[in-house]
Amino acid sequence: AQSVTQLGSHVSVSEGALVLLRCNYSSSVPPYLFWYVQYPNQGLQLLLKYTTGATLVKGINGFEAEFKKSETSFHLTKPSAHMSDAAEYFCAVSGTGTASKLTFGTGTRLQVTL
Amino acid sequence: GAGVSQSPSNKVTEKGKDVELRCDPISGHTALYWYRQRLGQGLEFLIYFQGNSAPDKSGLPSDRFSAERTGESVSTLTIQRTQQEDSAVYLCASSLRRGSTDTQYFGPGTRLTVL
Repeated sequence: AQSVTQLGSHVSVSEGALVLLRCNYSSSVPPYLFWYVQYPNQGLQLLLKYTTGATLVKGINGFEAEFKKSETSFHLTKPSAHMSDAAEYFCAVSGTGTASKLTFGTGTRLQVTL
Repeated sequence: GAGVSQSPSNKVTEKGKDVELRCDPISGHTALYWYRQRLGQGLEFLIYFQGNSAPDKSGLPSDRFSAERTGESVSTLTIQRTQQEDSAVYLCASSLRRGSTDTQYFGPGTRLTVL
């Protein structure tokens, strides 16, 4: 069984400040981890994913995330927030094997203020 | 190229009516997924198709829910005798293959409101 916990349903940062969105997972098999972003009235878009190899993963729009097995975490960061980053962010996990559904966290809404 | 499309974008229905939601995956994508997003909650997996077979239906909440897929193309999610708790955004995703690492590409969703 797998699960994802996203701490903080709402996060507010100033433009130019560090963005940190937290994600912890639980998985009985080696996990594959994903971050998706959902802009208002749009579908989910993949930001980045971790499968194997390097634990620091870089994605689109300047975001990155680090897989920390010992902490069962996959936190999303961006050094400097931009107004256009305001959106809802979802962390998701899938397991090894052939076809695999994604198990999502409840999402974190990021607000960026001037 | 065209992304995943879903129709209708919004559907309002009365309790007890049947509804059909449609998903057109990206051309060539063999895997197709349905998810549900209820207000304030994360996405819940409903069903997965590989081609036109459904090896994983574990997320369908009741026998009022069913889905089918024509070949590696269009999928339809049907909800019979709708209930108010069925109100949600229904999202469809497709991926090129069926591997766990494959990126799933999501459609914009269908917002279902059951009165």
